[in-house]
Amino acid sequence: SQTIHQWPATLVQPVGSPLSLECTVEGTSNPNLYWYRQAAGRGLQLLFYSVGIGQISSEVPQNLSASRPQDRQFILSSKKLLLSDSGFYLCAWSAGPWNGYNEQFFGPGTRLTVL
Amino acid sequence: GENVEQHPSTLSVQEGDSAVIKCTYSDSASNYFPWYKQELGKGPQLIIDIRSNVGEKKDQRIAVTLNKTAKHFSLHITETQPEDSAVYFCAASQGGSSASKIIFGSGTRLSIRP
Repeated sequence: SQTIHQWPATLVQPVGSPLSLECTVEGTSNPNLYWYRQAAGRGLQLLFYSVGIGQISSEVPQNLSASRPQDRQFILSSKKLLLSDSGFYLCAWSAGPWNGYNEQFFGPGTRLTVL
Repeated sequence: GENVEQHPSTLSVQEGDSAVIKCTYSDSASNYFPWYKQELGKGPQLIIDIRSNVGEKKDQRIAVTLNKTAKHFSLHITETQPEDSAVYFCAASQGGSSASKIIFGSGTRLSIRP
């Protein structure tokens, strides 16, 4: 069976510090991978998605970046965090290739607080 | 691009009563509409979906309806139970297309009163 892991589960970081969130998927190959941000009481904002190693599409201009160094690993990074980066970060995967009907499976999320 | 609007943002119903959440979409090319449920502190999970070739789909106490002409779709939960309390998201995508992504609504926080 497939599982998706995210770490850390919670993170408190000062403004201006770097960020690295990691997501890994087990039990599947060539998944589509996604990073979403959910602000408190808000909906899901798609940040990045990837259909393959080294292939990253950015949805929202911001000070965040994403990388996919391995088939089942997706990393969200920032060089300098802003207060507005606080939120609940969710990684998700879907079976590839993307055909529009792909169910997305979400990880447990990382709660980031920037102080 | 696609825009999905969801109402209401919060909903409180008496246990045993029905709950209805409504969504509208803007892109007439969208033809796949999943609904996700998010429990506190967890990631969303798919609970039901509908494709544009049908107008209604049921799964036990949950049903979804779709009006392609009006570009709106709804989630209906009957005989609500405490475990139905969660945040619900509607979404839309272009099934069969390799160029699209799922666009989510802003969510509805459903509370079931005992």
